[in-house]
Order: sequence, then structure tokens, then C-alpha cells
Amino acid sequence: ELKVEQNPLFLSMQEGKNYTIYCNYSTTSDRLYWYRQDPGKSLESLFVLLSNGAVKQEGRLMASLDTKARLSTLHITAAVHDLSATYFCAVGPTRDDKIIFGKGTRLHILP
Amino acid sequence: DSGVTQTPKHLITATGQRVTLRCSPRSGDLSVYWYQQSLDQGLQFLIQYYNGEERAKGNILERFSAQQFPDLHSELNLSSLELGDSALYFCASSDGVGTEAFFGQGTRLTVV
Repeated sequence: ELKVEQNPLFLSMQEGKNYTIYCNYSTTSDRLYWYRQDPGKSLESLFVLLSNGAVKQEGRLMASLDTKARLSTLHITAAVHDLSATYFCAVGPTRDDKIIFGKGTRLHILP
Repeated sequence: DSGVTQTPKHLITATGQRVTLRCSPRSGDLSVYWYQQSLDQGLQFLIQYYNGEERAKGNILERFSAQQFPDLHSELNLSSLELGDSALYFCASSDGVGTEAFFGQGTRLTVV
């Protein structure tokens, strides 16, 4: 069964610093998704990565996908407080059509 | 606003009771997914429907059931509620199977 692992699960960092969140998954998959969730709120779609080597950027966030390594990264550049949230990666569809989420990375950016 | 509507937003009920959560997908989306989010279990996939048919099943308890109606809205029925069922329940929709899913605001269920 597909497993999706994120690390770290919690990250506290200073404004202005760079950091990377990692998402590993256990079996081949067509697509990888990154979502953002603010406390008590819904999940907001950030990126959809469809192929090996795909890179997408939006503001200070950049996501990439290496399907051979079964690894996606979400890189944060010069973090600002507004980026504090929980970030989820999700992979799918699996053979039985599921989309499986990682446990999420809670990002806390200190002003 | 994702275009996915969930009602109610909050629900407080007693153990042993039954509740129904409702989801209206984005216009044109055929797939509806249900997820349960609790503090200790993360985001757990429950079930998926595509154009009225059950497509995928996750860790959904036998006390829970769902359906998707001809107008594509979906309902998640939770019965014989236990304290541990307290969670945020999300519905998401997409235009196909496994395509980008858009999430509703969630229903926060509290079982007392």
C-alpha cells in the first residue's frame, strides 16, 4: 500500500531563512500535490506536479518532483511570517484510485 | 473559496447518535472524496465517489456510510457515534479520478 512520509513534521524557523520540506512516497504514482492548511481552516491547493523533473514556483515557495527517487521537495525562500501553516503533500491516484496524504509539516516562522 | 460547500460547519452531538454531513462539489466535478482529520491521525482518506458510484474506500468504519446522489452532491452518515469520532471532516471534489482535489471548509464534529 502506498505510504507517504513527510519530514520534518514540525519546523520552527526565523524569518528570512531558507528551508526545505521533504516528501517521500513508497510506490510509483502519477501525480504529487502540495497543500497548505491554516489552523482550523480548509486545505488550499498549492502545486500539482505531474512528471519527473517538474518544478513549480509561486512566490517564496518552490516545489519539485523526482519520480525516480520518489521524492518531492517544497523549498521556502526567505521565509516570512505569513507562510506559517501546515503543509501537506499527497500522492495518487493509487491503483485503487486513492489519494494518500502525508502527516503534514507544521511550519512556524518566527518574526 | 474553493467552490466546494459543506454543511453544517459545526455539529455537536451525543454519543450513540447519528449525524449526516453534506457536501456539494464544485460545478462540473464528478468526484467527491471524504477525509477525516483528527489531531493524532492526520488526514485519513475515508471514501471516494465518482459520478454516483463508489470508486475507492479507505479506513472507513462500518458505522460510517456515504453516497453520492444523481445531482452529484454527497452525504456522509455517521452512526452510533463515539467520543473518538470527534474530528474535522472534509469533503473534496475533482473533475476526474485522482486529479487535483479542491477542499471544502470542513465540518467540525464534536461528540460529547
